Amino acid sequence: AQTVTQSQPEMSVQEAETVTLSCTYDTSESDYYLFWYKQPPSRQMILVIRQEAYKQQNATENRFSVNFQKAAKSFSLKISDSQLGDAAMYFCASLLGGYGGSQGNLIFGKGTKLSVKP
Amino acid sequence: DAGVTQSPTHLIKTRGQQVTLRCSPKSGHDTVSWYQQALGQGPQFIFQYYEEEERQRGNFPDRFSGHQFPNYSSELNVNALLLGDSALYLCASSLPAGTGYTFGSGTRLTVV
Repeated sequence: AQTVTQSQPEMSVQEAETVTLSCTYDTSESDYYLFWYKQPPSRQMILVIRQEAYKQQNATENRFSVNFQKAAKSFSLKISDSQLGDAAMYFCASLLGGYGGSQGNLIFGKGTKLSVKP
Repeated sequence: DAGVTQSPTHLIKTRGQQVTLRCSPKSGHDTVSWYQQALGQGPQFIFQYYEEEERQRGNFPDRFSGHQFPNYSSELNVNALLLGDSALYLCASSLPAGTGYTFGSGTRLTVV
């Protein structure tokens, strides 16, 4: 069974600084995807970044980047130049791959609440 | 661009009642998944519908049932409501075997 663990219930960062959110996962499969989602007070889950397990290169999306350590089953999110609008709940999630796409369903961690101080 | 639309946004029900939540998927998506997000927790998978059939199911009792219509929209039904069913119910649409999920803003269900 897949599991996703986020050990930081809350984090805080000063505006314009950098923060790293931690995530570990467990799976016996070799084909899978990892995601970071942002959930602001509007409640909608918004995709921040996606990583394919077969890719060694860490994914990057503007100010957001990941540190994917496959052997350690670690998938941390780094937010650079933090902005007030980054304040939200952040969820790490995994999805099994297969058939050229995916199979199964998203498995989420419990989330990390990020606060950004002006 | 029509994203995922869920209705209603908020709902209050009494224990023992039944509730129906609705979801319209993103244009071009034909697969709908439902998740339950209890307060302070991550979303938990309930089930997924594709081609009007339940394709996968998570660890939820039979009180939770669903339906998908020919236009790909979906309903989540919960019978015999319990206080513990109070949660945010999220709908996500995708392509079959896709990795791009689009989520709605959810329905906040409160059972009193």
